[in-house]
Amino acid sequence: QVQLQESGPGLVKPSQTLSLICTVSGGSISSGSYYWSWIRQPAGKGLEWIGRIYTSGSTNYNPSLKSRVTISVDTSKNQFSLKLSSVTAADTAVYYCASGYYFRGDHWGQGILVTVSS
Amino acid sequence: EIVLTQSPGTLSLSPGERATLSCRASQSISSGYLAWYQQKPGQAPRLLIYGASSRATGIPDRFSGSGSGTDFTLTISSLEPDDFAVYYCQQYGSSPGTFGQGTKVEIK
Repeated sequence: QVQLQESGPGLVKPSQTLSLICTVSGGSISSGSYYWSWIRQPAGKGLEWIGRIYTSGSTNYNPSLKSRVTISVDTSKNQFSLKLSSVTAADTAVYYCASGYYFRGDHWGQGILVTVSS
Repeated sequence: EIVLTQSPGTLSLSPGERATLSCRASQSISSGYLAWYQQKPGQAPRLLIYGASSRATGIPDRFSGSGSGTDFTLTISSLEPDDFAVYYCQQYGSSPGTFGQGTKVEIK
């Protein structure tokens, strides 16, 4: 069973870039079976799909965030990553990585809280 | 972008009762690519239903999904204490993979 684990800074200053890594275990990110996604959830609110990447490197992003988001994959480390630039307090949220068919989340990481504050 | 609207916002029920949750899409969802998730406080969402009506691995058969086109339903036939949580629908057939705003099932 695929397992995912998010890692990265829990505190980011406004206007800086949020950078997170998702490490995959129990399966190869290169297998071609899944898409690899990032989803976020502000405290007390619903889920927002950020974007996804396929093994080939092809990406899809939420139009609301597209100008600030980059998702990449490192098959040698079995990891994929999220970069979100020019962050504000509105980007404070729990960030989840997930894997699944198309835009679906079959398997999820535990989530990491990222706070944007000076 | 497909907008999903869930109703009701909160459902207050007792253990043993039947729960019926609705998810309505702003346009038809291709190939029935509609999923349901359960989320408990402090936990990641868990996939319950995919393809509108297929249960994910390990999900009890008291959970069932139905619907097509723009109207979908999640039914919990007899609520167990562990089922009180927030439930989200998601369409995963087109980008972006939008979620509904959630339905909270709380103990009455």
